[in-house]
Amino acid sequence: SQKIEQNSEALNIQEGKTATLTCNYTNYSPAYLQWYRQDPGRGPVFLLLIRENEKEKRKERLKVTFDTTLKQSLFHITASQPADSATYLCALRGSGGYNKLIFGAGTRLAVHP
Amino acid sequence: EPEVTQTPSHQVTQMGQEVILRCVPISNHLYFYWYRQILGQKVEFLVSFYNNEISEKSEIFDDQFSVERPDGSNFTLKIRSTKLEDSAMYFCASLGEMNTEAFFGQGTRLTVV
Repeated sequence: SQKIEQNSEALNIQEGKTATLTCNYTNYSPAYLQWYRQDPGRGPVFLLLIRENEKEKRKERLKVTFDTTLKQSLFHITASQPADSATYLCALRGSGGYNKLIFGAGTRLAVHP
Repeated sequence: EPEVTQTPSHQVTQMGQEVILRCVPISNHLYFYWYRQILGQKVEFLVSFYNNEISEKSEIFDDQFSVERPDGSNFTLKIRSTKLEDSAMYFCASLGEMNTEAFFGQGTRLTVV
């Protein structure tokens, strides 16, 4: 069955450093890989999307890489700030609008001043 | 900025009672979803809805669950006879035809006692 793995342990980093989160998947060939941010008690908020034919995508301090051979995505936050503290979810989707998003369990990031 | 709205934000219900969770998706979106998140666990897909019918559902979405879009704007999730294990956050999401990111509501916290 399809599986998405994200580091279950929280990632603690110092303000100003780069946070790197990992997403690995098996038994799936997604058309899109997406990253969402989730704050406690709130719904996921879309951050970035990368397509299967793209290697890297950037948006401001965020960078996503996608390696379909390794079946892995890396999500980087540069110059991290305490406000970046949240849970980050990796999600996969096939082509076609109705295809569901499948989420990983998420990695909790804590950025310390 | 357009947003998905969900009501109520919190619902407490007795086991065995029926509940209806309501969502107003973004107005020009075509694809609608319900997800749930049990406390401390991952966001799980329940059902997708397109062109006024269910396009896919998960194993969780059994005969106790139903969805409808009664008036072209509201999108509802009904649980006919709630169980203790239905206690969770329920998120509605919508997707436009060409967009590939999902917009999530803030969720309804359902507590079954």
